[in-house]
Amino acid sequence: GQQLNQSPQSMFIQEGEDVSMNCTSSSIFNTWLWYKQDPGEGPVLLIALYKAGELTSNGRLTAQFGITRKDSFLNISASIPSDVGIYFCAGQYSGGGADGLTFGKGTHLIIQP
Amino acid sequence: DGGITQSPKYLFRKEGQNVTLSCEQNLNHDAMYWYRQDPGQGLRLIYYSQIVNDFQKGDIAEGYSVSREKKESFPLTVTSAQKNPTAFYLCASSIKRRLTNEKLFFGSGTQLSVL
Repeated sequence: GQQLNQSPQSMFIQEGEDVSMNCTSSSIFNTWLWYKQDPGEGPVLLIALYKAGELTSNGRLTAQFGITRKDSFLNISASIPSDVGIYFCAGQYSGGGADGLTFGKGTHLIIQP
Repeated sequence: DGGITQSPKYLFRKEGQNVTLSCEQNLNHDAMYWYRQDPGQGLRLIYYSQIVNDFQKGDIAEGYSVSREKKESFPLTVTSAQKNPTAFYLCASSIKRRLTNEKLFFGSGTQLSVL
């Protein structure tokens, strides 16, 4: 099956710092999705990417679909306390539909006061 | 408000007992999914359904069963055959079946624990 490697596994940062995380795949994907999950809740979709090289922003969040189609990046600028949570990437291969989504293991973001 | 409702939020299972997790959506989505989440792990697909009265096994279907009698509802039963059921269970839906570039929308989850 598809393999997704998400890194880092966890991040300890100061409020106001910028954050970067990424996902790499052993296979080509044609869609990348980024989700955020708060403790005890379901993941919420942040950004969807559909085209190699695409750069999309959602407020302080920016995500990019890698040119090789095997990776994606998420950046958060000027982090605030409510950014705390687990961020998941998900990749979808061609023709796979939503049942063809593969999830990374998540990046746990912790903000120190 | 449109959304996906999972219940209960917390559920306890005794040895040898079957338990059923509820998932209802009023988004008029065709496809529905069940995922299992273990600490520090990604989401793993248990079952999915693309249309009423039809469903398919995901990557870890053993010990679980589902039904899809109505478009809005996709209950998951954790059977006694599932020897390690403690996990956070997430239900999700998407607009259309088998369409590339689909987005998943999730419910708020059910935490299942074994007594």
